[in-house]
Amino acid sequence: SQELEQSPQSLIVQEGKNLTINCTSSKTLYGLYWYKQKYGEGLIFLMMLQKGGEEKSHEKITAKLDEKKQQSSLHITASQPSHAGIYLCGADGTGANSKLTFGKGITLSVRP
Amino acid sequence: EPEVTQTPSHQVTQMGQEVILRCVPISNHLYFYWYRQILGQKVEFLVSFYNNEISEKSEIFDDQFSVERPDGSNFTLKIRSTKLEDSAMYFCASSADTYGYTFGSGTRLTVV
Repeated sequence: SQELEQSPQSLIVQEGKNLTINCTSSKTLYGLYWYKQKYGEGLIFLMMLQKGGEEKSHEKITAKLDEKKQQSSLHITASQPSHAGIYLCGADGTGANSKLTFGKGITLSVRP
Repeated sequence: EPEVTQTPSHQVTQMGQEVILRCVPISNHLYFYWYRQILGQKVEFLVSFYNNEISEKSEIFDDQFSVERPDGSNFTLKIRSTKLEDSAMYFCASSADTYGYTFGSGTRLTVV
């Protein structure tokens, strides 16, 4: 079964700093999804990446997919307190509409 | 933007009681899912549903669980006899015939 490893486990950054978090899959990635979650709350969709080398940006968040490494990275530029939360990556290992497997999540804290 | 709606947002039940968690997926979506997240842990897949039948289920989804699409709009998860360890956030999700999953905001189930 597919496993997703997220690193680092947690991260504390000063407001205004850039940061990168990673998600590495044990198997081929067909679709890679990034979600944000506040502790105990719902999942907020951030981005979906499908093709190797694909890169998407939304506001100050950029996600990339490295198909060869079976890895995705999420980069936040000039972090703000509103970026704080848990970042989850999910992958559908056998193609569209199959189940999503999630990583354990990365807890991001942003110090004002 | 279309949403997946889950009700109730929070349910408290006595151990041994039956609970039904309700979801209204996005109207033109064809694939439906339930996930569970025990507080502080990973989001875990429970079951997927397509064409009025279960397409995949996890080891967690044992005989205590059942899903139903009683009409054209609702998708329910029933837990027959709740245990303390069923306490978790339950997420419903739906997808169309392409990549992309929309999650509901979850039902927090507390078994006492």
